[in-house]
Amino acid sequence: ETVLTQSPTTTAASPGEKVTITCRASSSVSYMHWYQQKSGASPKLWIYDTSKLASGVPNRFSGSGSGTSYSLIISSIETEDAATYYCQQKSSDPPTFGSGTKLEIK
Amino acid sequence: QIQLVQSGPELKKPGESVKISCKASGYTFTDYAMHWVKQAPGKGLKWMGWINTYTGKPTYADDFKGRFVFSLEASASTANLQISNLKNEDTATYFCARGKKGYVMDAWGQGASVTVSS
Repeated sequence: ETVLTQSPTTTAASPGEKVTITCRASSSVSYMHWYQQKSGASPKLWIYDTSKLASGVPNRFSGSGSGTSYSLIISSIETEDAATYYCQQKSSDPPTFGSGTKLEIK
Repeated sequence: QIQLVQSGPELKKPGESVKISCKASGYTFTDYAMHWVKQAPGKGLKWMGWINTYTGKPTYADDFKGRFVFSLEASASTANLQISNLKNEDTATYFCARGKKGYVMDAWGQGASVTVSS
């Protein structure tokens, strides 16, 4: 099973700041997907195939990476971005999720 | 618009069974897979498996083989998750999620809470 390790576990940023969330895979994967989950809500697809924004996702979000290292980047944080973000891979069975990064807004 | 509507919260005793439903609308049900994902209280997401909504064939993650059954009522555009012989550690919210190529889960149900307590 491919283990995904996200860092940081928790981060806090002020509006307007840039934030990078990293997802490291225990073995090489071809693509990474990202989900946003707000407190008490179901997850939403946020970024798929490493760098494609899901419908309705603001373009201050971007994704990049390859091999064992992937990132979700928010160029200028807004208060509505407070949530937990999960990475997910399916290059190897079974599909696995990272443990999540909780983003708080100062 | 695409919607996945899940059944309501359940409170069960250890050893009992529970069946969770996930009714899809807004798209052709058999064109997309259906995944199931577990989220224990305060924890992350764990993939349970998926069901091919065209053939009805289920695939289970290793940790969910034996007591967990995925099924379909295709005529009603509904996927079901049944858990038998419930244990305390089954206490969680269970999500259904529509699956696209590459196991991208692009639409999620609202979640169904299952609490197992004596």
